[in-house]
Amino acid sequence: GEQVEQLPSILRVQEGSSASINCTYENSASNYFPWYKQEPGENPKLIIDIRSNMERKQTQGLIVLLDKKAKRFSLHITDTQPGDSAMYFCAASAPNSAGNKLTFGIGTRVLVRP
Amino acid sequence: GPKVLQIPSHQIIDMGQMVTLNCDPVSNHLYFYWYKQILGQQMEFLVNFYNGKVMEKSKLFKDQFSVERPDGSYFTLKIQPTALEDSAVYFCASSSPLGGYEQYFGPGTRLTVL
Repeated sequence: GEQVEQLPSILRVQEGSSASINCTYENSASNYFPWYKQEPGENPKLIIDIRSNMERKQTQGLIVLLDKKAKRFSLHITDTQPGDSAMYFCAASAPNSAGNKLTFGIGTRVLVRP
Repeated sequence: GPKVLQIPSHQIIDMGQMVTLNCDPVSNHLYFYWYKQILGQQMEFLVNFYNGKVMEKSKLFKDQFSVERPDGSYFTLKIQPTALEDSAVYFCASSSPLGGYEQYFGPGTRLTVL
């Protein structure tokens, strides 16, 4: 099955700076890579995703990069704000007729200092 | 955005008893999932369900677990009998092929087995 490694586990950044989280996956058939933000006691919320036909995607201060050769993808939060403090999970999936089981990384706790 | 509802939000139960977790998925979604999250860890896939059938399940989906969605009502996860290690937050998710397979998560049910 799929394995997703995620680093770092904790990321402390100053408000206004950028934050980067890196993930690697094993299954070359994986073609869908979402990122979820989870605040304490809340459900995971999809914030951005990328498919294997793209190398870069950007939306509202978030950039995701995908390197299929290296089986690596990353999330970059530009101009971090205190509201960006949360757990972030990367995931990988190989959608098929059974739907798309998500395999999650272990999560990164992002702490934005004012 | 699309909302997945889960009932109850919390459930405390004695070991050995049966519990049913209920999920009201996004109305036009066709694929349904359960994930398990132990405190401080990532979500782990349990099972996905489509067209009235279990499509894929993980090793975490023990024989004591079952899922169903009778006549388009709640998508349920039943655990019978419960064990101490079943204590976790259970998230329901749903997705639709038309939506590009993005999965939307409910708020979770915190299950405590005593």
